[in-house]
Amino acid sequence: DAKTTQPTSMDCAEGRAANLPCNHSTISGNEYVYWYRQIHSQGPQYIIHGLKNNETNEMASLIITEDRKSSTLILPHATLRDTAVYYCIVLGAGSYQLTFGKGTKLSVIP
Amino acid sequence: KAGVTQTPRYLIKTRGQQVTLSCSPISGHRSVSWYQQTPGQGLQFLFEYFSETQRNKGNFPGRFSGRQFSNSRSEMNVSTLELGDSALYLCASSEHPRVGNTEAFFGQGTRLTVV
Repeated sequence: DAKTTQPTSMDCAEGRAANLPCNHSTISGNEYVYWYRQIHSQGPQYIIHGLKNNETNEMASLIITEDRKSSTLILPHATLRDTAVYYCIVLGAGSYQLTFGKGTKLSVIP
Repeated sequence: KAGVTQTPRYLIKTRGQQVTLSCSPISGHRSVSWYQQTPGQGLQFLFEYFSETQRNKGNFPGRFSGRQFSNSRSEMNVSTLELGDSALYLCASSEHPRVGNTEAFFGQGTRLTVV
């Protein structure tokens, strides 16, 4: 599975959109981009995933560039409860394991 | 439906002992994976089971083992505990055989402390 690069930390004002970038320049055609987050001392929580098209669900939007080498997770209206570590993971369709990097620590500021 | 349930939530063991952790997946989910989380190494994959078969194993010593039962419940065992085994152990379940096509749901974890 391709490696990912994320900023170590980011701040976002409460109520504003949080845009979390991820680089995955070695992604191959059958690999998905997944986002999970982990709120302190809890198990990771699935957010969203996509292959090549942009995706949206009740939690977030995922924007994948046309060349698929990077993506952005968007939390449209960040709240204090969105403070967490966000992990971008690239996963092949035949893979059974999630490889977590360091992730991005998002702090939502009141 | 109920989420992934891990028991116990907290555990304190002595070096050299062994420990068994339990995971009940979401009803209908047949794939169960285990992860170890430590401050130094982050989240690391231990192993994955599907239909009582281990399909993949991470880079951990043989002291770490697991199994899955016919009802998809899973256990992991760590023998001859070392101080470095202190960690949060997380279990994840998914519905489809291949995690790459769907999301994994994590439990709250078991916090193991080895003294």
